[in-house]
Amino acid sequence: DVQMTQSPYNLAASPGESVSINCKASKSISKYLAWYHQKPGKAIKLLIYDGSTLQSGIPSRFSGSRSGTDFTLTIRSLEPEDFGLYYCQQHNEYPFTFGSGTKLEIK
Amino acid sequence: QVQLQQSGTELVKPASSVKISCRASGYTFTDYYIHWIRQQPGNGLEWIGWIYPGDGNTKYNQKFAGKATLTADTSSSTAYMQLSSLTSEDSAVYFCGRGGAYYASYWYFDFWGPGTMVTVSS
Repeated sequence: DVQMTQSPYNLAASPGESVSINCKASKSISKYLAWYHQKPGKAIKLLIYDGSTLQSGIPSRFSGSRSGTDFTLTIRSLEPEDFGLYYCQQHNEYPFTFGSGTKLEIK
Repeated sequence: QVQLQQSGTELVKPASSVKISCRASGYTFTDYYIHWIRQQPGNGLEWIGWIYPGDGNTKYNQKFAGKATLTADTSSSTAYMQLSSLTSEDSAVYFCGRGGAYYASYWYFDFWGPGTMVTVSS
């Protein structure tokens, strides 16, 4: 199985700041990585797929990038609704696997 | 708009089975894959498998083969997952998620249900 190593585990930032979350695949997954946002009591939301393609309706302050097997989610100008859990998922091969999650908290 | 509505919380006994549901609306149910994902307490997400309602085909994560059985009822646009031989390790929140269409396969999940909590306890 492809192991997805996500970092950091916890992240604290203030509204208006920018943050980055990283995900490293244990082998090549080409560009096939998705990012999700989970908040208590709300459905998990797809943010980005194929490494850098913004899902419809997601604000442009979210962006994704790739360098080999390293992927980064960047959130510019944090809004209060951006706090919560973030997960990456490789969608290149079976079984699809997720990173362990990053908890983004308000500083 | 696309919506996935899941059945409510389940409290079940060890060694029993449970069947949870995921009712889809806002799109053609038979065109898109439905995936199931598990989130154990304090843990991350694990992909269980998918069902393609258009023909009933399924694909499982080997880890869940024999534990989960996926079915779909096209008349009610509802997907089901049955979990068998339950142990405390199966206590988790189970999500359904919509995947790609048969004409445009993709393997991420663009809409998710709210999750169904299953607690296995005697």
